[in-house]
Amino acid sequence: DTAVSQTPKYLVTQMGNDKSIKCEQNLGHDTMYWYKQDSKKFLKIMFSYNNKELIINETVPNRFSPKSPDKAHLNLHINSLELGDSAVYFCASSPKTSGGEQFFGPGTRLTVL
Amino acid sequence: QQQVKQSPQSLIVQKGGISIINCAYENTAFDYFPWYQQFPGKGPALLIAIRPDVSEKKEGRFTISFNKSAKQFSLHIMDSQPGDSATYFCAARTRSGGYQKVTFGTGTKLQVIP
Repeated sequence: DTAVSQTPKYLVTQMGNDKSIKCEQNLGHDTMYWYKQDSKKFLKIMFSYNNKELIINETVPNRFSPKSPDKAHLNLHINSLELGDSAVYFCASSPKTSGGEQFFGPGTRLTVL
Repeated sequence: QQQVKQSPQSLIVQKGGISIINCAYENTAFDYFPWYQQFPGKGPALLIAIRPDVSEKKEGRFTISFNKSAKQFSLHIMDSQPGDSATYFCAARTRSGGYQKVTFGTGTKLQVIP
């Protein structure tokens, strides 16, 4: 069984479009995250949610809006896509906000043309 | 500002050799230092981790050496195998306000050649 799953795996779109990436974890974890990995493989946290509540927002442009309908899901919606948004986006989860191993999803490669 | 500095950026090692990846940090609030392994097309996965009150941790062929006074830590992969070829990330965690935040190094692409 997949612990942290993301859809889609690949996303190719035009500048200015709006797109969403979905994430689900079946580990029963309380905390979920979104990370961005750029072309140089640098991995940086974007958001952290604990049981549907936003905990961390790392100065991400407000074109990015995470939504957590329940603690097993954390979706990422991106408005007005820009070329610089092209990256691999990883969802992750951990047992609790204060600690525990982070389990990563397989990633979504977003390409903005 | 890169809080966790990692080197080298890439590394080629012969099968059976020792792979060494180094990391350094400045923030003394870091309280946990994990290493992640990432294969192409996959998400990072926890490999091994250490707390700053321990100078060394070994799990199979993987060893973390930790030097708290120098604010440096390193991953040693003994008897490196082609299957170890991946990108390795060191990381460091802070805890504040009841939540953890993990900062990653820039990654090291390891290639183990037969």
